[in-house]
Amino acid sequence: DIQMTQSPSSLSASVGDRVTITCRASQSISRYLNWYQQKPGKAPKLLIYAASIFQRGVPSRFSGSGSGTDFTLIISDLQPEDSASYYCQQSYSTPITFGPGTKVDIK
Amino acid sequence: EVQLVESGGGLVQPGRSLRLSCVASGFTFADYAMHWVRQAPGKGLEWVSGISWNSGDIAYGDSVKGRFTISRDNAKKSLFLQMNSLRVEDTAVYYCTKLRIAALTDAFDIWGQGTVVTVSS
Repeated sequence: DIQMTQSPSSLSASVGDRVTITCRASQSISRYLNWYQQKPGKAPKLLIYAASIFQRGVPSRFSGSGSGTDFTLIISDLQPEDSASYYCQQSYSTPITFGPGTKVDIK
Repeated sequence: EVQLVESGGGLVQPGRSLRLSCVASGFTFADYAMHWVRQAPGKGLEWVSGISWNSGDIAYGDSVKGRFTISRDNAKKSLFLQMNSLRVEDTAVYYCTKLRIAALTDAFDIWGQGTVVTVSS
């Protein structure tokens, strides 16, 4: 099985800050990496798929990059509504696996 | 409006069974793979099972293999999860999710609101 790790597990940042979340796969997954945002009590929402492609309607302050084993999600201008947990997910092979999540709080 | 609505959750004793359902609307259900993802209280996301557009390709997570069965009825735009031999650790919110494509693995672009399964004596 492909193991996914994320760092940091949580962070606190100010409005307007640039936030970086990293995700690492235990083996190469090419660009089969997707990012989700989840707010408390809500279903996850797809932000980025195939490592760097925006899902329709996602604000441009979100961006993704990476390939192979190392990936990054950047929020370039943090907004209050970005307070949430963020998960990476590999879709290279089954079993599909998610990272443990990164909780983003607004200072 | 594209929508997935789950049902069938509830409180069940360990060892018993439960069947979850998910009804889709607003898109051509038969064109896409469908999956179940769960989230235990206060925990992260865990993939449970997936089924390709024509049911020709099915996969399960290790923790549910042999106990859960996924199926779909394209005519009724419905996805199902038969859960047998339930364990306390199966307690979670179960989400029905749509894949972006027809094949078995990709990103999940539409999610239901979730249905709560509680396994307890």
